[in-house]
Amino acid sequence: DQQVKQNSPSLSVQEGRISILNCDYTNSMFDYFLWYKKYPAEGPTFLISISSIKDKNEDGRFTVFLNKSAKHLSLHIVPSQPGDSAVYFCAAGNSGNTPLVFGKGTRLSVIA
Amino acid sequence: DTEVTQTPKHLVMGMTNKKSLKCEQHMGHRAMYWYKQKAKKPPELMFVYSYEKLSINESVPSRFSPECPNSSLLNLHLHALQPEDSALYLCASSQDASGNDNEQFFGPGTRLTVL
Repeated sequence: DQQVKQNSPSLSVQEGRISILNCDYTNSMFDYFLWYKKYPAEGPTFLISISSIKDKNEDGRFTVFLNKSAKHLSLHIVPSQPGDSAVYFCAAGNSGNTPLVFGKGTRLSVIA
Repeated sequence: DTEVTQTPKHLVMGMTNKKSLKCEQHMGHRAMYWYKQKAKKPPELMFVYSYEKLSINESVPSRFSPECPNSSLLNLHLHALQPEDSALYLCASSQDASGNDNEQFFGPGTRLTVL
């Protein structure tokens, strides 16, 4: 049973445009959400997070939106840069229970 | 220091060997984690240590044996592994094992190949 789903395995975007990566979850007990970026042969790097008490969190070019009623979150990258090309993992957690649950990842390719 | 380090970077071992993976962090984090990641898959949680005590074991086979000698170090002892155990083994740490916005910091991983 996949509690965190990233339904798009890959996404291609032109440099300078917006990249939108989507994530859906099923467990209503999740109360914080994170995005990680992963380059080949490296560990995941934390990018941005959002608590369930918010619906938006912004950090530079990265914005995460949370729609609790739809159990959906998205990561917006504006403007996209070639260096953003990586696999992006959505993860969800529960403040009372540790383990993060990861989605399967979306491979983003930003084309110059 | 905001880094999680892992050694070795690469490890090739036979099915009868005994080896250990090491992980270290000096951020004062009290929760440490081992994940296993196969190609094109998300990281799968194996173990969680909270305040140097094993708090979660995700039904991992006993050929994997974790150890937390102190709050900065986490080891994973390997014995009698199978070829299907070949994967990237990731260590992570977080401030503690609960709480909001408790992001985990990952190390670069050890690429393990079992022959």
